[in-house]
Amino acid sequence: DSGVTQTPKHLITATGQRVTLRCSPRSGDLSVYWYQQSLDQGLQFLIQYYNGEERAKGNILERFSAQQFPDLHSELNLSSLELGDSALYFCASSVDVGTYEQYFGPGTRLTVT
Amino acid sequence: DQQVKQNSPSLSVQEGRISILNCDYTNSMFDYFLWYKKYPAEGPTFLISISSIKDKNEDGRFTVFLNKSAKHLSLHIVPSQPGDSAVYFCAASEWDNYGQNFVFGPGTRLSVLP
Repeated sequence: DSGVTQTPKHLITATGQRVTLRCSPRSGDLSVYWYQQSLDQGLQFLIQYYNGEERAKGNILERFSAQQFPDLHSELNLSSLELGDSALYFCASSVDVGTYEQYFGPGTRLTVT
Repeated sequence: DQQVKQNSPSLSVQEGRISILNCDYTNSMFDYFLWYKKYPAEGPTFLISISSIKDKNEDGRFTVFLNKSAKHLSLHIVPSQPGDSAVYFCAASEWDNYGQNFVFGPGTRLSVLP
């Protein structure tokens, strides 16, 4: 158990809809990362937040957005969903910015039908 | 364009023997490399890392080697155990205009046979 929690575990929704994925980092970790893993592909880095502020941006679509709240939990919002958005979404946390070791949650499996 | 490549999708090794997982990268700005292990239905777990200024890092049965001139790194597991059966991801980090970026390879599925 990494100490990182993600909800929900599974999510099935239709094209065009909007969903919110939630992540609680390990106790004491200030930095949160979001990744997308599509079928048979590696993890794609989406975005990083540190203590409530956006710190790094990867291959995140404009239809996707994220935020980190004062209690340090984070939410990833996916809108205007397309079939290709079906994937595993992982959240990870680390103590600080510039820390290389990240602790991953179990992921949320999103299926868009 | 894949910046981090793991050209072997799968690898099978006998228990007790050495497992060698390979990773190639194209971006010379990567300054740190990591290996993660992933079991089914779980998130990746950090295994071992290496800074670009080093060529070797060892932690118990796990050793990572970095050849910067060849843009190649490898993970050695000696001796391999059945519990090592998992998907192994190579990852690299760089700092760019958008902050600290992490790039993961597609993974190699290791099967350690008893």
